[in-house]
Amino acid sequence: EAAVTQSPRNKVAVTGGKVTLSCNQTNNHNNMYWYRQDTGHGLRLIHYSYGAGSTEKGDIPDGYKASRPSQENFSLILELATPSQTSVYFCASGDARTTSAETLYFGSGTRLTVL
Amino acid sequence: GDSVTQTEGQVTVSESKSLIINCTYSTTSIAYPNLFWYVRYPGEGLQLLLKVITAGQKGSSRGFEATYNKETTSFHLQKASVQESDSAVYYCALGVGPNYNVLYFGSGTKLTVEP
Repeated sequence: EAAVTQSPRNKVAVTGGKVTLSCNQTNNHNNMYWYRQDTGHGLRLIHYSYGAGSTEKGDIPDGYKASRPSQENFSLILELATPSQTSVYFCASGDARTTSAETLYFGSGTRLTVL
Repeated sequence: GDSVTQTEGQVTVSESKSLIINCTYSTTSIAYPNLFWYVRYPGEGLQLLLKVITAGQKGSSRGFEATYNKETTSFHLQKASVQESDSAVYYCALGVGPNYNVLYFGSGTKLTVEP
């Protein structure tokens, strides 16, 4: 069974503080993604990665950094957290098929509150 | 830009009745995007329901169907007879980019099936 695990599940941070959200996948997928979802909105892509050492900017990368130190792990880093970054963050891995569309496998989410 | 519109935020249907959830998309970056429906059941993570990568084709899963209509830029989700277990939040998504792996999600439609 595909598994994507996010930590922590909940996080409260202070404005200006550094926040690191972690994601681990046991699917051996090359592709990994970070999305955020705000109430009443769809998921929006922040950063993604094609493999260890690779990071790419998504639709809304400003204020976020990403790190992919290994196949299994993909972190999202908020160097200077702001209240506007209060949201639910989802990590996903993708099976990167060449003959059909990639399927994403999502984690359960991290609820981040920046005070 | 690229975007997905789901006009209904919430839909309530009686069990055994038919269902249609509307999805339209807009893209300026790619002629023929990939199209997806993802679903979040209560207490579970977001998971793929169905996908279609070729215009004019139909995807199906768990009794749901969706047809990729490039003329109307739509990908409506339909089911002939819903069950209580179909109660969930459904997200339409558009896949663009060189590998079609950059997804844009709609805001979601919460389906409640009443007994």
